[in-house]
Amino acid sequence: QQQVKQSPQSLIVQKGGISIINCAYENTAFDYFPWYQQFPGKGPALLIAIRPDVSEKKEGRFTISFNKSAKQFSLHIMDSQPGDSATYFCAASRGSSNTGKLIFGQGTTLQVKP
Amino acid sequence: SQTIHQWPATLVQPVGSPLSLECTVEGTSNPNLYWYRQAAGRGLQLLFYSVGIGQISSEVPQNLSASRPQDRQFILSSKKLLLSDSGFYLCAWSNPGEGRDTQYFGPGTRLTVL
Repeated sequence: QQQVKQSPQSLIVQKGGISIINCAYENTAFDYFPWYQQFPGKGPALLIAIRPDVSEKKEGRFTISFNKSAKQFSLHIMDSQPGDSATYFCAASRGSSNTGKLIFGQGTTLQVKP
Repeated sequence: SQTIHQWPATLVQPVGSPLSLECTVEGTSNPNLYWYRQAAGRGLQLLFYSVGIGQISSEVPQNLSASRPQDRQFILSSKKLLLSDSGFYLCAWSNPGEGRDTQYFGPGTRLTVL
């Protein structure tokens, strides 16, 4: 119940295309869903996050879609650019916990071809 | 603004040698602190977390240990390194005052055990 399943494991998209990464969770107590972007040799950086009171959140070319009933959330990267090539991790947590522990998906390696 | 430091950036150690990795956070008080390990091409494995000075919780039994001697200092140690300890070690912090679950990662330490 603590797992977050992420797919696909890898993704190749042409420049200007839409990249879509999906995550699914089981624990209905999760109430915070961030996405992290990691470039090779660097630490992950928070990209965008959503809480279950909204179904969608958009920041620039990045959008999170959240489906509470299906227990799924996804990251959409519009007009994908070669600079978006990185590994993306979804995560989930239970905000009421004092630990702040995040449960991470296994990651998706995105390659955007020029 | 908050800053997180990790050192060293890279480390090559022989099997059986001791280990000490350090993480410090600036610009925040009483953060939650986390140690993660990331194997090559893999996801993020939470090793330890701390909600306060001297308070350490272990997620995975292994030959590593963690300590928090000061509010904004987190240390990862080992008495005798194994080959399997090789990986990318990441420290992260979150601010309980702003929502415990948004974690910010440091630049990481690349450890190679030979």
